[in-house]
Amino acid sequence: DQQVKQNSPSLSVQEGRISILNCDYTNSMFDYFLWYKKYPAEGPTFLISISSIKDKNEDGRFTVFLNKSAKHLSLHIVPSQPGDSAVYFCAASDGTNAGKSTFGDGTTLTVKP
Amino acid sequence: DVKVTQSSRYLVKRTGEKVFLECVQDMDHENMFWYRQDPGLGLRLIYFSYDVKMKEKGDIPEGYSVSREKKERFSLILESASTNQTSMYLCASSSQLAVPYNEQFFGPGTRLTVL
Repeated sequence: DQQVKQNSPSLSVQEGRISILNCDYTNSMFDYFLWYKKYPAEGPTFLISISSIKDKNEDGRFTVFLNKSAKHLSLHIVPSQPGDSAVYFCAASDGTNAGKSTFGDGTTLTVKP
Repeated sequence: DVKVTQSSRYLVKRTGEKVFLECVQDMDHENMFWYRQDPGLGLRLIYFSYDVKMKEKGDIPEGYSVSREKKERFSLILESASTNQTSMYLCASSSQLAVPYNEQFFGPGTRLTVL
């Protein structure tokens, strides 16, 4: 049973437009969510996070929205830039000291100049 | 600059060989993780460790074992490599001070091919 799902394997947008990446989860015990970005031949790097007590967190061009009742989160990138082209992973942290996270399948974003 | 290093970027092994993948972090992190990344399957957790000599199974531990003798080093062992273990292997670490978000820091990955 996949607890974190990213249903769109890929997304293509024009430079300057908005990119919206979606993530759904099934475990209602998840309270902390993160987005990671991965370039080819590199490991993922942390991008932005949100807790279930918030519905929005913003960091520059990146905003994460959380709809806890729908068990859905989304990452908005505005404006999109060619350097944003990467694989984006959604993850849910178990919130414990052991630090285990459950990752989605990833969405490959391509931003066209 | 924080760093997670993995012993090899690319590795080619034969079926049945014993394979060691090494991971070292310089951030004094308590937690360390091994994942494999396959197309369409995302990052799947193999094993993790929250302290020296402690290990816990992840979602797909079959065919793998791990060793953590020192805080900074976490090794993944394929006892008898098989072709279905051809994959990208990613090591990560996190601090227990980062609770509850537990942001993880990843190494660059090892692309393992088993022939």
